[in-house]
Amino acid sequence: DIQMTQSPSSVSASVGDRVAITCRASQGISSWLAWYQKKPGKAPKLLIYGASTLQSGVPSRFSGSGSGTDFTLTISSLQPEDFASYYCQQTSNFPRTFGQGTKVEFK
Amino acid sequence: EVQLVESGGGLVKPGGSLRLSCVDSGFTLSTSYMNWVRQAPGRGLEWVSCISTSSTHIYYADSVKGRFTISRDNAKNSLYLQMNSLRAEDTAVYYCAGDSGSTDYGMDAWGQGTTVTVSS
Repeated sequence: DIQMTQSPSSVSASVGDRVAITCRASQGISSWLAWYQKKPGKAPKLLIYGASTLQSGVPSRFSGSGSGTDFTLTISSLQPEDFASYYCQQTSNFPRTFGQGTKVEFK
Repeated sequence: EVQLVESGGGLVKPGGSLRLSCVDSGFTLSTSYMNWVRQAPGRGLEWVSCISTSSTHIYYADSVKGRFTISRDNAKNSLYLQMNSLRAEDTAVYYCAGDSGSTDYGMDAWGQGTTVTVSS
């Protein structure tokens, strides 16, 4: 199985900050990576697929980069509605493993 | 547009069974790979199972293999998860999620979730 490791596990930030979350796969997955946003009591929301393609309707302050084993989700200017947890997921192989998540908290 | 609604969650004793259902009111479920994803209290997201459009290909996480069975009825725009031999560690919110085929297998449609509690 492919293991996905995210870092950091949590980050404290303020509105307007630039935030970067990294995700590392235990083996190469090309660009088969998705990023999700999860808020308490809400369903996950797809932000990015194919490592760098922004899902329709997602604000352009979100961006994704990377290929192979190392990936990054960047929020260029954090907004109040962005305080949430973020998960990467490899879509290369089954089982479709998620990273352990990164919680973006208010500083 | 896919609009997913789960049902069937509840309180069950260890060793018991539950059947979760997911209905798509947008009538496009039949063209999507469908998944179940769960989140235990205070934990992260865990992918559980996936079924292809024609049910030809089915996959499970090791944690549920042999106990859970995923199925679908495209005529009813429905997805199911039969859960047997339930354990306390299966306690979670269960989401059905669809991959429309245009997002490199990213899950772009989600239900609101149904809660399963396994406790004596």
